[in-house]
Amino acid sequence: DTAVSQTPKYLVTQMGNDKSIKCEQNLGHDTMYWYKQDSKKFLKIMFSYNNKELIINETVPNRFSPKSPDKAHLNLHINSLELGDSAVYFCASSPTQGVNYGYTFGSGTRLTVV
Amino acid sequence: GNSVTQMEGPVTLSEEAFLTINCTYTATGYPSLFWYVQYPGEGLQLLLKATKADDKGSNKGFEATYRKETTSFHLEKGSVQVSDSAVYFCALKSYNQGGKLIFGQGTELSVKP
Repeated sequence: DTAVSQTPKYLVTQMGNDKSIKCEQNLGHDTMYWYKQDSKKFLKIMFSYNNKELIINETVPNRFSPKSPDKAHLNLHINSLELGDSAVYFCASSPTQGVNYGYTFGSGTRLTVV
Repeated sequence: GNSVTQMEGPVTLSEEAFLTINCTYTATGYPSLFWYVQYPGEGLQLLLKATKADDKGSNKGFEATYRKETTSFHLEKGSVQVSDSAVYFCALKSYNQGGKLIFGQGTELSVKP
């Protein structure tokens, strides 16, 4: 059983389209995250939710909207896609926000905007 | 603000060579420190962690010691294998940051047979 699963794994779409990425974790964790990894492998946090409540909302264009229907799911919807949105998006979860806990990551969604 | 700096890559080693990847950090208080590994086309996996000064994290032959006096958490392995080829990320997590993990820029390691 995959602990943190993301779908789709690959997403190729045209500029201006709207797309969603889904994430589910079966670890019973309370906290979930979205990170963006750029072409140089740099990882930056976008959002985090703790038990369905938004905790972190970094400086991300408001075209990006996360939604957490329950604590096991955190989806990412992107409106009006731009070329600069091309990246790998990772979902992750941790037991709590506690400082001693690391994350479990999904395998990523490679988004290519053409 | 909090930050993590890693040595520049790529690092190329021969099999069985000794590995060191340097990591230093800037943070208020006493963060927890982590090393993650990313194999090609995969997500990140937790390699090891240390949650307080002088703690040593270890896993799969890799080790790192939390040095508060030098604000460092260098990754070491005594004898690398081709299968260790990957990108390695140092990261920190501080209190009152909503659980945010801050990553260094990653260091690519290539091990040749």
